[in-house]
Order: sequence, then structure tokens, then C-alpha cells
Amino acid sequence: GDSVTQMEGPVTLSEEACLTINCTYTATGYPSLFWYVQYPGEGLQLLLKATKADDKGSNKGFEATYRKETTSFHLEKGSVQVSDSAVYFCALSVPNTGGFKTIFGAGTRLFVKA
Amino acid sequence: ETGVTQTPRHLVMGMTNKKSLKCEQHLGHNAMYWYKQSAKKPLELMFVYSLEERVENNSVPSRFSPECPNSSHLFLHLHTLQPEDSALYLCASSPHRGRGGELFFGEGSRLTVL
Repeated sequence: GDSVTQMEGPVTLSEEACLTINCTYTATGYPSLFWYVQYPGEGLQLLLKATKADDKGSNKGFEATYRKETTSFHLEKGSVQVSDSAVYFCALSVPNTGGFKTIFGAGTRLFVKA
Repeated sequence: ETGVTQTPRHLVMGMTNKKSLKCEQHLGHNAMYWYKQSAKKPLELMFVYSLEERVENNSVPSRFSPECPNSSHLFLHLHTLQPEDSALYLCASSPHRGRGGELFFGEGSRLTVL
């Protein structure tokens, strides 16, 4: 079945450090891939997405590239800020009879220290 | 402004109470979802409504009862809950087709069952 595996947290970094959160997926079709972010006390919000192979999603300094050959969608940022502290969810979405089916990873908590 | 509004944001109830969670979206979407987010567990999809018809019910106990009176509103009726039902309940919406299955979340209703 379809699945998403992302690195376990928590990840603790100092401000201005580089971030990589690994995400790999298994899907029978051609999924769209997403990173969602959840700040403390809030719901999830879309951070970036890619809908086909080799697409790069980017937003707020974060990037991820849809790699079909390695079935990966790793999240990267060159210089993190304290305000990036949150939980990050990798997800895939495939069409189904009801519209779309979305599978989420377990989430990776990021702490950024000043 | 996420476009998806959930009320109440916080709810405390006893095991014999009956209460309801409400979700409203003004994005013109026609698919709506309930998710349960518990500490240290992956996001759990509970119910999906597409074009106002329930299309998925992931073996959720009958003490949770969804209602979707129109494409803009979604309710989760709660009765005879257990302490393990304490969690953050997230509502989301998406277009039935298009945007690759991107989900738009509300900020959640934090439920505590005493």
C-alpha cells in the first residue's frame, strides 16, 4: 500500500544551521507530494508541494525536489530561524473515487535554539 | 485567515456528555475531512465527505458521528466518549479535483474527556 516514511525527531539545531528532513514514499500511482507545517497551537498548513517528478517546491526558504528514482522528497533549508520551530509532515496524495487519498508521515519536530 | 474555521477551539466534556464540533469553510471546496491528532501518534483520518456524501469511514467507533449538511459545513457529534478520545480534532477541506489533493486545515478543536 501507499506509505510515507520520514525521519524521527526531535531535531534540534542552532539558529542559522542547515536543515534536512528526510522523506521517502511508496506509491502505486503517480502521487503529488507535500510538506505541511504545524506551529504550536495551530492546525497544519501547506509549506510546499510538487505534483510531478523533478518538480521543486519552495516557500519561505524551504525547498524539496520530487525524486522519482529514489522515491524521496527531502525538505531542506539553508539557514533556520527560531520561528521555524514546528512539526513538519511529509505527505503524498493520490486520486481515488472520493477525490484524493492523502497519506501522512509521522511528523518531525524541529527545535531551533537562538 | 485559513479559510477553514473550527469551533470550539477547546472543549472539556465528561464521558456522559453529548457535544458537537463544527467546521466551516468558505473556499468553495467540495470535499471535507475529519482527522484525529493524538500525542505521539500519526494523524488519523476519521471521515471523508466528497460532494456531501460520506466516502470513507476508517473504522471509527460509533460514539463519533459525522454530519455534512452542505458542502460548506461539517460536524462531528460526540457522545459517551472515553478518556483516550482526548486529542486535537482537525477539519480540512480540498477541491474535489485539482491542486493535486492539497488540504486546507482549520486550527483544530482540542478535546479533553474527563
